[in-house]
Amino acid sequence: DVKVTQSSRYLVKRTGEKVFLECVQDMDHENMFWYRQDPGLGLRLIYFSYDVKMKEKGDIPEGYSVSREKKERFSLILESASTNQTSMYLCASSWGGRALEQFFGPGTRLTVL
Amino acid sequence: SQKIEQNSEALNIQEGKTATLTCNYTNYSPAYLQWYRQDPGRGPVFLLLIRENEKEKRKERLKVTFDTTLKQSLFHITASQPADSATYLCALAQDSSYKLIFGSGTRLLVRP
Repeated sequence: DVKVTQSSRYLVKRTGEKVFLECVQDMDHENMFWYRQDPGLGLRLIYFSYDVKMKEKGDIPEGYSVSREKKERFSLILESASTNQTSMYLCASSWGGRALEQFFGPGTRLTVL
Repeated sequence: SQKIEQNSEALNIQEGKTATLTCNYTNYSPAYLQWYRQDPGRGPVFLLLIRENEKEKRKERLKVTFDTTLKQSLFHITASQPADSATYLCALAQDSSYKLIFGSGTRLLVRP
């Protein structure tokens, strides 16, 4: 079974802190994605990566950065957390190629105070 | 602007009936459409993928249709069970893209 794990299920941070969310997949997937999910807005893509050290902006990249140094690991960084970044963050991965099924992690609920 | 619409109101049905969920889109020409299930506090789980040249896809009690003229997909669960209660998300992809565009989901409640 494909497994996507995220470093924390729940996280509470203060405004201005630097926050790291980590995602690891164990199926040698080429593609990895970071989404945020807010009520009524659905999943919105923040960043994605289709190869090691490659990244592309999604629909809402402002205030975020990412790092992919190894194929299995994709990190999301909030450089200076703000209250409007309080959300559920979901990581996903998929095989190489386009628009194939994505496998999601359990999510990290981040609260920024 | 591009838009994906799923009914934001919960669908409440009796066990054993067929549940039908709708996904409408505008200003897209998707090559693929996918359906996911999401339980509270968990990540979405992939259910089915249908391509633009396919009218219908089935998997066990699930059936998806894709009408590119109407710009609509219907997702059916036959012989529904309380365990089918969850939020169901549709997602579109253009042929040239790695990206999926998700709808906000419809919550299904199946009463025993």
